[in-house]
Formats: sequence, structure tokens, C-alpha cells
Amino acid sequence: QSALTQPASVSGSPGQSITLSCTGTSSDVGGYNFVSWYQQHPGKAPKLMIYDVTKRPSGVSNRFSGSKSGNTASLTISGLQAEDEADYYCCSYAGISTVIFGGGTKLTVL
Amino acid sequence: QVQLQESGPGLVKPSETLSLTCAVSGFSISSGCYWGWIRQPPGKGLERIASLYYRGSTYYNPSLENRVTISVDASRNNFSLRLTSVTAADTAVYYCARISTGYTHFDYWGQGTLVTVSS
Repeated sequence: QSALTQPASVSGSPGQSITLSCTGTSSDVGGYNFVSWYQQHPGKAPKLMIYDVTKRPSGVSNRFSGSKSGNTASLTISGLQAEDEADYYCCSYAGISTVIFGGGTKLTVL
Repeated sequence: QVQLQESGPGLVKPSETLSLTCAVSGFSISSGCYWGWIRQPPGKGLERIASLYYRGSTYYNPSLENRVTISVDASRNNFSLRLTSVTAADTAVYYCARISTGYTHFDYWGQGTLVTVSS
């Protein structure tokens, strides 16, 4: 199983909207509506931001939203803030109690 | 509030066995859910290692399957990881996490513990 493909880095200015992509195959992202996204600040544990493609856990800002089209999932952050600067990882269910992570995207807020 | 806390040696010698325990509070392991271990080598991404269902079913990353064992101690409300024959490539921050009932996402994470493999 290969890791899901994420761009290594993305940048944006405060107030902008940015979209992070996560590309897999029909055996993972495209085959199930079970994509999740995690935010990780340096030295910290990952934090669940989106699950089941579009759902937000309690306490996560509504500036974060998720979507999926075919084999590619996306995380959109609107009204970009300095505190959003972090690494973001996507993850997809891939069958038989297996999940696959993406390689991660470093988001820089300019 | 569900909380997880990893514990174990921070330094392991090459060829030896890495052993970690994850103590769970705020939720009974026997109540359900899956539980798992994820690692992150320095400067790299996340890698699923192993997971188990509270009733004992286990699931392993195929690339590590021949070296890994995950187990649960419901009486102590914790679960453990053993990784044998470690090399420098096993140096990483190891996280334990709770996995949703449908095995679709990791909803609670421990703070992580750095394990260095070195003589």
C-alpha cells in the first residue's frame, strides 16, 4: 500500500482561503467516504480536524471543511490565520481495518 | 475526557525489543472502539503500526507484521506494543490513539514518546 499523495508545501496569506489535496486510488480515497484530516503543530500530537470526508469534530473551527471528488480528497481552510500554520496529514480507510496516511503538507502562513 | 499516555524506554539498543504501553483514562477499553499505535520518524510522516479491537482482533501494517505484537490488558485499561529486532530505522515518536468504532479515524491521541534506537 502506497502513501496517499499530498503536496509537500502550500502557502497563503492571512484571510485567504487555501485548499490542500490528497490523492489516492479507488482502493482507498475513491472507494470509501472515510477520509480524515489531521493538523500537527511542531512537537505536538496530530489533532483530528475532519473525518468521514466532511464532518468536523466538536470544537474544530468551521473555517475547516472537507470534500472529495473521485480519488482526491481536499481540505479547505478559509480565513487563513497564523495559528493554522502546521503540517496537515490526510488519512483514508483502505479496507479490512486498514488505513493509509498521506505524506503530509506543510502549510505556511505568509 | 478521553486521555491516552504512552510510557516506555526512550532508548533501545539495536537488535533488541522495543516495548511501549498506552494507559487510557476517561474511557473503558472494554466499552468498545479500536486502539492503535502510529509512529513518526524525525522530520517524516505518520505510519500506522498496529491496531486492535477491544475483544482482541489485531491488525498489523504488512511492512512490520513479522516484528510487531499489539496486546490489550483490559483489567489495567491499557494496551501495549512490542517491536522486535529494532534498527536505527525504528527511531521515531510513537503515538497511541483511539480509533473510531467504524475504524474510520483516530479521534484521540497520546502526546507521543520519542524512542531512539542506538548503541
